[in-house]
Amino acid sequence: DVKVTQSSRYLVKRTGEKVFLECVQDMDHENMFWYRQDPGLGLRLIYFSYDVKMKEKGDIPEGYSVSREKKERFSLILESASTNQTSMYLCATHGLNTDTQYFGPGTRLTVL
Amino acid sequence: AQSVAQPEDQVNVAEGNPLTVKCTYSVSGNPYLFWYVQYPNRGLQFLLKYITGDNLVKGSYGFEAEFNKSQTSFHLKKPSALVSDSALYFCAVRASYSSASKIIFGSGTRLSIRP
Repeated sequence: DVKVTQSSRYLVKRTGEKVFLECVQDMDHENMFWYRQDPGLGLRLIYFSYDVKMKEKGDIPEGYSVSREKKERFSLILESASTNQTSMYLCATHGLNTDTQYFGPGTRLTVL
Repeated sequence: AQSVAQPEDQVNVAEGNPLTVKCTYSVSGNPYLFWYVQYPNRGLQFLLKYITGDNLVKGSYGFEAEFNKSQTSFHLKKPSALVSDSALYFCAVRASYSSASKIIFGSGTRLSIRP
């Protein structure tokens, strides 16, 4: 079974702090994604990566950056957290030959 | 541009009754269609997908979905609902013409099964 882990389940940060969210997968998948989930809005794609050191902007990249130095790890960075970034953040992966995405448990981030 | 619509924020069904969660989509070319389920405080879990072939797709936990090209729909169904089916359900679509195209998710439908 694919295992996707996220560094924290719950996180509370203050406005202006730099925030790191980490995602690690153990299935050697090439593709990794970061979404945020907000009530009534579904999942919105922030950034994705098809390979190490490669990144592509999703639909809502503003205020975020990402890093993929190793194939198994995809980090989401909030350079200067703001209250409107309070949300549930979900990481997902899938391999080259499948469209099925595997999700991590999510990180609920609160920015005060 | 791709889009997915889930017209119902919430669906309420009595246990033992059939359930339907609606999904319509818009995509250029042939679609890849997915249903995911999210239980409280959990990530999304894959339920089923339509890529090609038979329009009726069977998935996990007794769920199935019917692809209807003329109505651009992919409704999720189950003949007899269980209380444990109560969760948030997401429909998703990807265009098949490019492996680099994004998967777009709907806004979600909360399914509530009453005993």
